[in-house]
Amino acid sequence: DIQMTQSPPSLSASLGDKVTITCQASQNINKYIAWYQQKPGKAPRLLIRYTSTLESGTPSRFSGSGSGRDYSFSISNVESEDIASYYCLQYDNLRTFGGGTKLELK
Amino acid sequence: QIQLVQSGPELKKPGESLKISCKASGYTFTDYAMQWVKQAPGKGLQYMGWINTQTGKPTYADDFKERFVFSLETSASTAYLQINNLKNEDTATYFCRSGPDYWGQGVMVTVSS
Repeated sequence: DIQMTQSPPSLSASLGDKVTITCQASQNINKYIAWYQQKPGKAPRLLIRYTSTLESGTPSRFSGSGSGRDYSFSISNVESEDIASYYCLQYDNLRTFGGGTKLELK
Repeated sequence: QIQLVQSGPELKKPGESLKISCKASGYTFTDYAMQWVKQAPGKGLQYMGWINTQTGKPTYADDFKERFVFSLETSASTAYLQINNLKNEDTATYFCRSGPDYWGQGVMVTVSS
C-alpha cells in the first residue's frame, strides 16, 4: 500500500491566519489526492479532489496544490468554522489516508 | 435524499464476531463501490478497503486482510462489514462511504472483556 506522511500533526492558528498542511506520498500518486475536513463526532467531508478541484460548497479560502509525491493544502483567512481535523487521501492506488492534522485556535 | 444508514453501536468481548450493516437509499446501489473506514478513539482515519457492488468482489488494505469480511445484500441495497476474532484494538468507529462522497453516520464498536 502507498504510505502518506502528513504534517504537522497539529496546528495552532489565529482567526485570519493562513495555514498550510503537507502530505508526502511514498510514490508518485499522479495528483490523485483529496483533502477532507472532520469535526468531532461527524463523518469526514470532502473539500478538494484531484489536488486542487474544490467540491461544491467548499469556500474559496481552501486550496490545494502539488504533484508527484508532494502535496499541500492551505486555508487562507482561517475562520472559526474551520476548526477541525484535516486529512489527505491518496486514491491513485487503492486509498490511504494521511495521519491527520488537528487545527486549533491560538 | 441520498442516505447511508448504519446499524447501532456494539459491545463485544475479545474473540467474538460481529457484523455491521450499511443501508443505502436515494441512489442505485450498484452505481458505486462501497468503502469502509476505521477510526479508533482519538485517532485518525484508516482506509480498510472496498467492495465492488456489481460483482461482490472485495479488496482489502494490507492491515485488514485477516479477520475482516466485506459482503453485500444487493436486493436490500445493504453492505456489511464482518469482523471475526475481535481484538481490543478493533475498538473504533466504522464508517461506510459510497459515491461522490456519501458517508454513513458511523458505528461505534467497543471490544472489552
